Amino acid sequence: TQLLEQSPQFLSIQEGENLTVYCNSSSVFSSLQWYRQEPGEGPVLLVTVVTGGEVKKLKRLTFQFGDARKDSSLHITAAQPGDTGLYLCAGGNNAGNMLTFGGGTRLMVKP
Amino acid sequence: DVKVTQSSRYLVKRTGEKVFLECVQDMDHENMFWYRQDPGLGLRLIYFSYDVKMKEKGDIPEGYSVSREKKERFSLILESASTNQTSMYLCASRTEGGRLDEKLFFGSGTQLSVL
Repeated sequence: TQLLEQSPQFLSIQEGENLTVYCNSSSVFSSLQWYRQEPGEGPVLLVTVVTGGEVKKLKRLTFQFGDARKDSSLHITAAQPGDTGLYLCAGGNNAGNMLTFGGGTRLMVKP
Repeated sequence: DVKVTQSSRYLVKRTGEKVFLECVQDMDHENMFWYRQDPGLGLRLIYFSYDVKMKEKGDIPEGYSVSREKKERFSLILESASTNQTSMYLCASRTEGGRLDEKLFFGSGTQLSVL
């Protein structure tokens, strides 16, 4: 069974601060997705990375896939209260048809 | 806009009851999934379906069954609810898998409490 560990589990910061959350595994994944889930809603896809070393930017969010495709990070610059939510990483298997989810990082950004 | 609708936002049931959780998608997606979400454990796959009348066990199928009689509807059934099935249940759908950039579309979830 492939496992994904996310750290930290909880993060509370002030508006304007920078932060990084991590998603680590001993297994190789064919792809890595990041989702954000707001209270009372289902997760919504933010990004998919598929190539080792790939970096993608989405406004103030920067996503990186590790060279060995075993880990990923999400960096947020100048966090805003609207970034508050649960961030989930999910690794795709080689067939590309199944996802393994990490435990999530719950982020709170205080104004 | 794409939509995955779960029939109930909150449900309270008693131990031993048979529980039905309904999910409908309007995107003509082939694949549908049921996950449960517990704090710190992320999303764990219960069952999935690649097409009508097809079903496959996920990682934690014990105590659950599913039904997919129509393409747009995927039902999760708790045959005899137990307190350890208290959880948030999320339904998701996507087009036919096989592409690395396929994404899941999730419903808003059903918070089930079994007393």
